[in-house]
Amino acid sequence: GENVEQHPSTLSVQEGDSAVIKCTYSDSASNYFPWYKQELGKRPQLIIDIRSNVGEKKDQRIAVTLNKTAKHFSLHITETQPEDSAVYFCAALLPGGYQKVTFGTGTKLQVIP
Amino acid sequence: DGGITQSPKYLFRKEGQNVTLSCEQNLNHDAMYWYRQDPGQGLRLIYYSQIVNDFQKGDIAEGYSVSREKKESFPLTVTSAQKNPTAFYLCASSSSGIGYGYTFGSGTRLTVV
Repeated sequence: GENVEQHPSTLSVQEGDSAVIKCTYSDSASNYFPWYKQELGKRPQLIIDIRSNVGEKKDQRIAVTLNKTAKHFSLHITETQPEDSAVYFCAALLPGGYQKVTFGTGTKLQVIP
Repeated sequence: DGGITQSPKYLFRKEGQNVTLSCEQNLNHDAMYWYRQDPGQGLRLIYYSQIVNDFQKGDIAEGYSVSREKKESFPLTVTSAQKNPTAFYLCASSSSGIGYGYTFGSGTRLTVV
């Protein structure tokens, strides 16, 4: 099966600085990599995703990069704001008859005003 | 509420009791999933279902059971065999195919008393 490792587990940045969260995956067949944001006490919500045929994707202040050779992908948040404070989960989808996503262990991001 | 509803929001279970967590979606999604969330351990897959009347064990299925009699519904039963059931349980659904993120329910917090 797939194994996803996520680092760091906690991250504190000053408001306006950038934040980077990194994930590695074990199975080179994985082909879809979503990122979820979970605010305290709320449900995880999809914020950005990338397919294996794309190297980078950007949506306003957030971007995701994928290096298939190294089997790692990263979330980049620029110009961080206090409302970016949350737990972020990366995930990888291993295709097959039953598609299921494997999640990383999460990164708690704190943006300090 | 995002098209996927979990109930109840809080649930208390006595030792030796079975309890059932409800998950209903009106998104016409084929796939449904149950995850358990513990502090510092991310999201762990309990069961998932791609079609009605079929489901597969996830990584931590022991002590849990599910059914998928209707496309809209995927209830989870936490049996007395689950020795450490206190956790936050998240239900999710998605369309079939590559590149579809999950929609999560708002979760059920189960506590053993």
